[in-house]
Amino acid sequence: SYVLTQPPSVSVAPGKTAKITCGGNNIETKTVHWYQQKPGQAPVLVIYFDRDRPSGIPERFSGSNSGNTATLTITRVETGDEADYYCQLLDSSDHNWVFGGGTKLTVL
Amino acid sequence: QVQLVQSGSELKKPGASVKVSCKASGYTFTRHAVNWVRQAPGQGLEWMGWIKTDTGNPKYAPGFTGRRLVFSLDTSASTAFLQINSLKAEDTAVYYCARVDYGSGIFMDVWGKGTTVTVSS
Repeated sequence: SYVLTQPPSVSVAPGKTAKITCGGNNIETKTVHWYQQKPGQAPVLVIYFDRDRPSGIPERFSGSNSGNTATLTITRVETGDEADYYCQLLDSSDHNWVFGGGTKLTVL
Repeated sequence: QVQLVQSGSELKKPGASVKVSCKASGYTFTRHAVNWVRQAPGQGLEWMGWIKTDTGNPKYAPGFTGRRLVFSLDTSASTAFLQINSLKAEDTAVYYCARVDYGSGIFMDVWGKGTTVTVSS
């Protein structure tokens, strides 16, 4: 089955840019989605189709996907962005949904 | 507005069964499949499987095959159910239902708030 690899943690200062990666074999051929989960809350979709933002998600959130890495980028990071972030895709080979292990974003 | 309302927390003994409900509102229930996602304490998200709400066909994730897990529907009540039988301590987790996007069917655009299931003697 397909494996998605995320760094366990990323730290960034307020106002700076955070990049959270999601690695997978030839991931650029797949479509990646991202979810934000704040402590004690349900996940929220922040990016779909690699780079599209649902309504209500700030433009500070963006996504890209190239080679073996998909990336969630958050610019002008705020303390309210502290959360766990998960990448996800649907593996077309077996129709199973796959999550990355999650990355804890800490705003210093 | 579009929402998924899940049933409340459950405390069960090992060997018992639990049935979690997920009631949809604000959209046509049978147009979107429902995913079930588990999150063990301090752990990440784990896909358990999904159920097609138009046909009732379930698909169980590789780690969740077997007869302990049952997805079901009451389409007249716009409600999906997750039943776990023969509960074990390791089933202690938060269980989320999530709506699958209609157009592509490959991401989850609405989530329930989660149901905490605790298995303890």
